[in-house]
Formats: sequence, C-alpha cells, structure tokens
Amino acid sequence: EAGVTQFPSHSVIEKGQTVTLRCDPISGHDNLYWYRRVMGKEIKFLLHFVKESKQDESGMPNNRFLAERTGGTYSTLKVQPAELEDSGVYFCASSLHLAGGYNEQFFGPGTRLTVL
Amino acid sequence: ELKVEQNPLFLSMQEGKNYTIYCNYSTTSDRLYWYRQDPGKSLESLFVLLSNGAVKQEGRLMASLDTKARLSTLHITAAVHDLSATYFCAVGTLPRGGANNLFFGTGTRLTVIP
Repeated sequence: EAGVTQFPSHSVIEKGQTVTLRCDPISGHDNLYWYRRVMGKEIKFLLHFVKESKQDESGMPNNRFLAERTGGTYSTLKVQPAELEDSGVYFCASSLHLAGGYNEQFFGPGTRLTVL
Repeated sequence: ELKVEQNPLFLSMQEGKNYTIYCNYSTTSDRLYWYRQDPGKSLESLFVLLSNGAVKQEGRLMASLDTKARLSTLHITAAVHDLSATYFCAVGTLPRGGANNLFFGTGTRLTVIP
C-alpha cells in the first residue's frame, strides 16, 4: 500500500512568488495534518482536516497560507506571497479517524521549501 | 501551548556505547511518540507510549514514559552505525474525537561513529 506522498520534494522560489505544495494521504485516511519544520527548530503543527473540513487551523502562521482539501482526498498548501521566513520543510501526515482511541499518524517525506 | 523539550540536540557516539535521549513536556498528555527520520525520508514511527510506566523495546532501542514527571527517555544500547538518524519525540494532545495534534521536540541528531 502506498504511503503518504508529497510533491514537490524540493522547491526554490523567490520572495514574493507563490508556491503550492501537495499532499496525497493514505487511501481511506480521513485525518490529514500539515506540519512545518523551520531550520533548527521543532516540527510545528499547522492545521488539521477531517475529510474536506478544517478542524483546527490554529497553527497557521498568517493569512499568506491557504490550505484546501477539496473532495476530502489530497490537500494543497499554498503560500502567497512567500517570505524568507517561510523556508523550511513542510510535512504532511494522515491517519484514520476513529473516535475514542489514538490514531497513528503516518508521515510523508516532506517538501523542502527555500525562499530566496 | 504544550512545550516539548528534547536533549541533546546533537549526539555523537561510538559504536558499542550506550546513551539516553531525554524528552520533557509541559502539560498533561496520555500519549507520547518516538519517531526516527533518515535524511530526505519520512518520519518513521518507533514507539507509542500510552500509560505511566510504559516501557517498549525494539532491538537496541528502549523507550519509557513517566507521566508524573512528564518525561520520556529513549535509551540506545550498544549503538551501531545503522542507528544514525534524527530522533524526535512528540506528545499528543488529549484527543478530540479522532483527532490528535502532535507537539514535537527539536529532534536529536544521532551520529554513530564506527
């Protein structure tokens, strides 16, 4: 079975440009999470979808970031316009959505974003 | 906000030696995760610890959880080169329905020297 995939693996853009990151979760996983690791810092939660609905976007840094999950399958995270401090590795994770228990999150390999 | 402190950040050790990575967290949680990441790869789940006193072992790695002290340890026994990677601890928030956001430590980059 395919794991969580992310595209692209690397992206280098200039400040002010727009970038869209894509995440394909494991089939059947209703939970989808986005995380980010800025150089030298911890991995931080950005937002969480259940199917196509945003359940928690408390970690989104500002309104330059827009996440969507149309149809409840893959998700995109758009940064517009990108700033230097947006550089980092963006991870996506997915899990089942079973109430009452822990649902292991499976991570993708990440997209390394560099803003020059 | 839940804070997770992990140390050391960098660990260089010789093959055959033992060492421990520490993970402290700031508020109540009932689940703690350890992940391994190789360069350019996904985070691989190593252990899930769900209760006070939980201990899990896999090969040369052993993880434990003390919820009263809000401390987890990852102990490496007789290190081998293949264990070189970055190790993360992560604490799960108390679940709401089926959701469980994770708060991560900064990671420990382990290098095992032959």
